[in-house]
Parts: sequence; C-alpha cells; structure tokens
Amino acid sequence: DTEVTQTPKHLVMGMTNKKSLKCEQHMGHRAMYWYKQKAKKPPELMFVYSYEKLSINESVPSRFSPECPNSSLLNLHLHALQPEDSALYLCASSQDRDTGNTIYFGEGSWLTVV
Amino acid sequence: AQTVTQSQPEMSVQEAETVTLSCTYDTSESDYYLFWYKQPPSRQMILVIRQEAYKQQNATENRFSVNFQKAAKSFSLKISDSQLGDAAMYFCAYRPYLVGNMLTFGGGTRLMVKP
Repeated sequence: DTEVTQTPKHLVMGMTNKKSLKCEQHMGHRAMYWYKQKAKKPPELMFVYSYEKLSINESVPSRFSPECPNSSLLNLHLHALQPEDSALYLCASSQDRDTGNTIYFGEGSWLTVV
Repeated sequence: AQTVTQSQPEMSVQEAETVTLSCTYDTSESDYYLFWYKQPPSRQMILVIRQEAYKQQNATENRFSVNFQKAAKSFSLKISDSQLGDAAMYFCAYRPYLVGNMLTFGGGTRLMVKP
C-alpha cells in the first residue's frame, strides 16, 4: 500500500485545457517531488519542494506549474500542453530534501494529451 | 556528475530460481546511498532495498539482497526463489549525501519470470 496518493490515475486532456494533478502524503515528510516518466525510461526530476517552498525546478516549461498548499499536498497545474507531454507523472516524498532519506513514490498519474 | 549504468536491458528467470541484476555507478563522493526500486505494470515505484555506502555489510530484505562493492562501484541485486510477482522493471538509483542532490536513476532492467 502506498502512502503517497495521486489523483487522478488517468487523465486525457486537449491542448487547450487546464487540468491539475494532485498528490497527498501523510507521513510527515517535508520534501515533495514531481517526476515525469516516459515509457521504458527512468523517471526524470521536474520539481522539488522543501518545507513548502520550491527549491528545484529542472528547467521545466512554464506550461507545468507546481503548487504546494501545505506540507501534505502537492499539485501540478497543467495548461496548454503538447502531445509530447503525454507521460506518467510520479509524485514522491521524503523526510527532507538534504540527506539520503529514502524517496517514496505514489502510483502515478497517466496523462495523455490529445 | 554521477552516472548509474544498468547493462542488462532485459533478464529472465525461471520461477523459484535465483537471478542477479547488475548496476554500476560513477561518483567521486565517499558518502552516498544506493537503492533498488521495482516498477511493476501498475507503474508504482516501490522501494526494494537500500544501502548506505558507509556500511560494509550488504543489505538484505527477505528474498532480496545486494552485493555492494564500494571500490568497484558496483551494486547488484540478487532475487532468490523468484516469484511471478517479481516480474517488473527494476531501477538502480544513487543519491549522494550532499545538500540538494537528488536521485540519479539507471536505465532500468526488465525482469521476466517464467512459470
């Protein structure tokens, strides 16, 4: 059973739509992450939040907009996406950002852009 | 920059047999952590095992164990008594003990388990 919960599990959106992916963890972790994963590839880091502040943005296009409303929630707002943005989006969390704490992943949100 | 290499894109094993997945990494750091994650078709990344580089003893978790060779920068995963549920993509990952450094993943190994 995962302790990082992501919704929705599947999302199909048009290139002009605005949608959001949501992530929640109840482990008291203070670091949360968004990863993007294409088929048969390892996950690629997109954003890192540490104590609810954005600490790393891996040069992600502005059509992806992260938000951390509180220490348990992480959102990824999507707008004007391209078909090549179709991928599995994984949320993850760890006790904190700056040590070797294990990073725990959610089940992912599969996004298809049409 | 750190790199993680998994040289076996695919492996297969007979049910109940043992299989070893290879992983090598490149780093100039002395303190770091290594992980094996499993990703079944459900796509959730599940932690299998974790190794701290300062520990000489190899980590074990039930049927899963690692062979950690720090000098050789090698971190292989052994799965004993393979089960059908072990079929998945396995990713080796490295994380240094430095501020702000994140996980670096290998390219993955797809493990198939034959009944």
